[in-house]
Amino acid sequence: DAGITQSPRHKVTETGTPVTLRCHQTENHRYMYWYRQDPGHGLRLIHYSYGVKDTDKGEVSDGYSVSRSKTEDFLLTLESATSSQTSVYFCAINGHGEQFFGPGTRLTVL
Amino acid sequence: AQSVTQLDSQVPVFEEAPVELRCNYSSSVSVYLFWYVQYPNQGLQLLLKYLSGSTLVKGINGFEAEFNKSQTSFHLRKPSVHISDTAEYFCAVSGSQGAQKLVFGQGTRLTINP
Repeated sequence: DAGITQSPRHKVTETGTPVTLRCHQTENHRYMYWYRQDPGHGLRLIHYSYGVKDTDKGEVSDGYSVSRSKTEDFLLTLESATSSQTSVYFCAINGHGEQFFGPGTRLTVL
Repeated sequence: AQSVTQLDSQVPVFEEAPVELRCNYSSSVSVYLFWYVQYPNQGLQLLLKYLSGSTLVKGINGFEAEFNKSQTSFHLRKPSVHISDTAEYFCAVSGSQGAQKLVFGQGTRLTINP
């Protein structure tokens, strides 16, 4: 168990509403990541963080923002959710050259 | 930048038969390579990884993979599969330095038939 939790685990929301997903780690790792998983695309990187208040964009960052005010928490925000953001979202941490993944959040935007 | 291609989207095999899931990658820098497994409605679990050293890597559940730098491949193999191996398998690559962001292939769905 890599000590990563995500909340909520499931969420249904409506188009245009803001949504925040939370990732929490107990491992004190420097790097944290947000990915989305969609059929036929595998997982794609949205944003990542390399320290408190240090973040950068990934491959599919449009429509998403992140924040990291504490080492253990990495938040992903959809400012105005769209149906194309319906997906499963995974958080990950990097330890000793490999990434450990959280259990995922299934988000449905109606 | 890196990219990954998994050459088969679906692979059906019979129980106790051998299986190979193919993965090719491209990168302009030295890489780390990974295979992850995802069972239905679950998260991702690391099967095995290549960071350096021996090009033949052994992982959990009897899987192994061989890093072939000249062919830029990292194929996953198992000599005899079980029903419980039914899952989706993802090949992934990262640079060996810096943020080590993972780039995933599209996934291969392995179905084991009795």
